[in-house]
Amino acid sequence: GEDVEQSLFLSVREGDSSVINCTYTDSSSTYLYWYKQEPGAGLQLLTYIFSNMDMKQDQRLTVLLNKKDKHLSLRIADTQTGDSAIYFCAGGRTSYDKVIFGPGTSLSVIP
Amino acid sequence: GAVVSQHPSWVICKSGTSVKIECRSLDFQATTMFWYRQFPKQSLMLMATSNEGSKATYEQGVEKDKFLINHASLTLSTLTVTSAHPEDSSFYICSAREYSRVFWEGGYTFGSGTRLTVV
Repeated sequence: GEDVEQSLFLSVREGDSSVINCTYTDSSSTYLYWYKQEPGAGLQLLTYIFSNMDMKQDQRLTVLLNKKDKHLSLRIADTQTGDSAIYFCAGGRTSYDKVIFGPGTSLSVIP
Repeated sequence: GAVVSQHPSWVICKSGTSVKIECRSLDFQATTMFWYRQFPKQSLMLMATSNEGSKATYEQGVEKDKFLINHASLTLSTLTVTSAHPEDSSFYICSAREYSRVFWEGGYTFGSGTRLTVV
C-alpha cells in the first residue's frame, strides 16, 4: 500500500539551512510534493518534483529525489522565523490522482 | 490563482446534531474535490473523493452514512457530519481540482479548513 514517512520535528537556528526528509513506499508515485501548513490554516503547495527528475531548485527551496531509495528531501536555505510551520511530503500516481500525505515535520526556527 | 473557500472556518455543535461544511471553488470549475480529516499534530487522512454529479468514493474505514458528501455543482461540494459525536471533532480540509489545469500548475487548491468541535 501507499505510505509516506517523515521525521516529526526539526529545529534550526535562523539563517541556517533546514533539511526535511521523506521516504515513500509506492514506487508508482510519479508526482511528489511538498506542502506547508501554518497553524490553523490550510495547505500551501511549496514545490513539486516529477519522478524522472533528481533535483529541482526554486529560490530558497531545493528538492532532491533519490528514486532508487524512494527518498525525498526539502532543503530551505537561509531559514527564517516565517518558515516555522509543518511541512508535508506527499505523493500521487498521476497528476489527477488522490494525494497521500506523510505525517508532517514540524519545523521550529530559533531566532 | 485558483481560490477555494471553505466555510465555516470553525464550528461548535452539540453531540447528536449534524453539521454541514461547504467547499467552494471561487474562480474555476472543480470537477473533483477531495475531503481530508486532520487530527491534532497528525497528517491529513483522505476521507473521500467527490466528482461532480456522481456519488463520492469513500476511503476504507470512512462511514459514508455518517459523512455525507454532495457535489451537486462544479463549484460546490458539501460535507455533512451527521449525528456528530465528540470523536468527530477534528480539522476538515477540502481540496478542489480544476479540470483544465494539472496539479503542478497549481491545479489542486486547498481550502483553509474547518475546525469542528463537538461538545
